[in-house]
Parts: sequence; C-alpha cells; structure tokens
Amino acid sequence: DTGVSQNPRHKITKRGQNVTFRCDPISEHNRLYWYRQTLGQGPEFLTYFQNEAQLEKSRLLSDRFSAERPKGSFSTLEIQRTEQGDSAMYLCASSLVPGEGYSGYTFGSGTRLTVV
Amino acid sequence: DQQVKQNSPSLSVQEGRISILNCDYTNSMFDYFLWYKKYPAEGPTFLISISSIKDKNEDGRFTVFLNKSAKHLSLHIVPSQPGDSAVYFCAASAEGGNQFYFGTGTSLTVIP
Repeated sequence: DTGVSQNPRHKITKRGQNVTFRCDPISEHNRLYWYRQTLGQGPEFLTYFQNEAQLEKSRLLSDRFSAERPKGSFSTLEIQRTEQGDSAMYLCASSLVPGEGYSGYTFGSGTRLTVV
Repeated sequence: DQQVKQNSPSLSVQEGRISILNCDYTNSMFDYFLWYKKYPAEGPTFLISISSIKDKNEDGRFTVFLNKSAKHLSLHIVPSQPGDSAVYFCAASAEGGNQFYFGTGTSLTVIP
C-alpha cells in the first residue's frame, strides 16, 4: 500500500467553474476525512466518512461542496461554482476507527486549488 | 474560535540541543492529542500521540507531555537534527477522534 493518494496535485480553475478531487485511502482504513488548509493556518475539518456513510459535516462545508464515498473505498470532493475564497490545499486523510492501536490519521499530499 | 493554539509561529534551535514546541487548548473535553510534522508540498505526517489518561509519551527522540490542568501540551525533540526542520502541528480531539482541531503550526529550524 502506498498510503493515501490524492489527485490531482494541483488545480487551477476560473471562478464559477466546478472542480472535483479524488482521494484513495489506505485500503484497510474504514474512515476517510477531508480537511482544508489555507496559508498560515492548520488543517480545518470539512467532513468524514465511516465506510460509505458520511457521518459528520462541518459548517465550513457550504451548499457548493459535496463529498461522496460511494463504495466505501475512494472518495470525491466536488466544489461547484468555485469562488476565490475556495483557494486552499484540500487534504484527505484516512484512519482506522479509534481504539486500541489507533495512531491518528494518515494524510495524503493534498490537492492545491487556485481559483483565478 | 481557535480551540487549539500554537503561539510561537517559529523556533530556531542549534543541532544537538533540545527543541520544545508548545500547544494550548481551550476545550476540556479534548481527550486525545496528536503531533504532526509537515514538509513543504507534502501532507502532514503523524509523529506522536497522547491520550488524556497519560501525562507523558515517548518515542525515540520525541516526547510529548500533557498537563491537563493547564490545558497544555508540549513536544520535546532531543537531540534536534537538521532533518527535523519542518512545520509542527498539534491537534486535539474529543469523542474518540471523530474530528481533530489543529493549531496553526510552529515552523522549526534546526541550525547545523
């Protein structure tokens, strides 16, 4: 297993366009998370899935954002009608369910979105 | 509202000396804490964790201390090495790790 994989690594889009990012988690991890990080800030939680169920969404996740994990494996994050304020690094992470041996998340390298 | 704070944006330490990175939190429900290390153009990498039932956890050169009464944790790196130069984030969670709140990070530079 090569860890958490995110595609694309970089995305430049014009304001108003839709974009979709993909995350492939570590195969044995049943939890998948999306975070967003802007310059000078730590990662901010957006949403997480346990298997295919989306269990929690942050209020940061406006109506223009939607995330799916249809078969409990890979996940997609779509942003509709992008705005300049959406420019950020979008990080995906996966983990086991917290319990014995839990060691937090494994993050991917992120997708850097620039809205021009 | 920043529930996890890292008040030092940067820290410089000589190689071989101790690096101490600090983190404060406000939510008394937090019961699990992590430190992550981040290099440019990469995602954060897990470093070390501690649960609220402990006050210290050690892994090689890295030790995390937790002071629950002060709502404070610290990461000690001894001895510091140039490869430790990175941004360090602390993160905290309640309810068994469903969602972690991250600090704003401290950029550590270890000078050879």
